Amino acid sequence: NAGVTQTPKFQVLKTGQSMTLQCAQDMNHEYMSWYRQDPGMGLRLIHYSVGAGITDQGEVPNGYNVSRSTTEDFPLRLLSAAPSQTSVYFCASSYPAGGDEQYFGPGTRLTVT
Amino acid sequence: AQTVTQSQPEMSVQEAETVTLSCTYDTSESDYYLFWYKQPPSRQMILVIRQEAYKQQNATENRFSVNFQKAAKSFSLKISDSQLGDAAMYFCAYNNNDMRFGAGTRLTVKP
Repeated sequence: NAGVTQTPKFQVLKTGQSMTLQCAQDMNHEYMSWYRQDPGMGLRLIHYSVGAGITDQGEVPNGYNVSRSTTEDFPLRLLSAAPSQTSVYFCASSYPAGGDEQYFGPGTRLTVT
Repeated sequence: AQTVTQSQPEMSVQEAETVTLSCTYDTSESDYYLFWYKQPPSRQMILVIRQEAYKQQNATENRFSVNFQKAAKSFSLKISDSQLGDAAMYFCAYNNNDMRFGAGTRLTVKP
């Protein structure tokens, strides 16, 4: 099993550009989530999904969109990048939904100039 | 909303010694999970230990153990026989379908 994979590993965007961070898992996990990690802070939940077709907002959802059309994939879209979105982004998954240990991807470092 | 507090931004321990990292959390729920994750410079989040709130027995994993005090909402991590490879950021986390992390403790291990 590859576990949780994220692409790209690094990305530089200009203010106002849009992009999608990809996340995939091959463990048949129901629950998937996106976090951002800023210096001096722990991970903060952006959006999560308890199954295909179901998504919900986390602690810091503004500026981000998600969808869950399959169990395996959970992309995160930045509609109009802002410097405040410069961060490291982690995708995670777990089974059963939500409450237990989450398995994390390797992270994507995003810089918005 | 649930909050997780790690009051020690940095800790230092001598190799082979024992160190305890502190964590407190706030919740009105009775059923939840607690975790300690390790994040080395590689950035990968690695699970160290987990605790289910309904279990009174403290979790242990080799050199790692927790002191779970449910009434006090406290969840500290004890690392025994510290090794150089234990140096990392350590995050305490609470999960009840909405995972919350503390700000982390940077652990340095001195040879």
